[in-house]
Amino acid sequence: DTGVSQDPRHKITKRGQNVTFRCDPISEHNRLYWYRQTLGQGPEFLTYFQNEAQLEKSRLLSDRFSAERPKGSFSTLEIQRTEQGDSAMYLCASSLWRWRSSYNEQFFGPGTRLTVL
Amino acid sequence: GENVEQHPSTLSVQEGDSAVIKCTYSDSASNYFPWYKQELGKGPQLIIDIRSNVGEKKDQRIAVTLNKTAKHFSLHITETQPEDSAVYFCAARLNTGNQFYFGTGTSLTVIP
Repeated sequence: DTGVSQDPRHKITKRGQNVTFRCDPISEHNRLYWYRQTLGQGPEFLTYFQNEAQLEKSRLLSDRFSAERPKGSFSTLEIQRTEQGDSAMYLCASSLWRWRSSYNEQFFGPGTRLTVL
Repeated sequence: GENVEQHPSTLSVQEGDSAVIKCTYSDSASNYFPWYKQELGKGPQLIIDIRSNVGEKKDQRIAVTLNKTAKHFSLHITETQPEDSAVYFCAARLNTGNQFYFGTGTSLTVIP
């Protein structure tokens, strides 16, 4: 399967613990996005990378959240001191961006469902 | 930022009937409008998209229409089948940005 993959698929943690999620994008894709989706809502943008550079962050991304894409391939999203309000599905997407092209179809992974007890 | 509203939140149709889902957006600078289908436990899957320079696009049983003046776009599914049952999301992207703004979703149930 050459689609976007995410690991783990499910994570249960206690309030106050740190968690880290991983996303592996489609191999030739230079852009990688993180979204959060709560029950009954559409995905909400958190941040995105072009290669290894983090170019945009949403106001939703509090100081407890940090994302990296060190080699421009896979990315990690870490949440420190988790709170019950962090419980959600965390989705990763990737796209191939080309200069002067409006083509920016985003392919989503299956998501990581986080439950904070 | 952009605000995308989606209606209805739930929709039930008989197999073989058509389904229509409508979305409105607030920012006239939006120029790309994808539609995603999300099945339980899976990530959203792109089913069709439309750019602001096009008024309508069709792919087999699925079509999308865009009215830039009214700032609304719609998804049309004809000859619905039980496997079309899922949650459908519309989204919009500003021509100045890279993030997608999603609607709140429509849960479609196709009754055999």
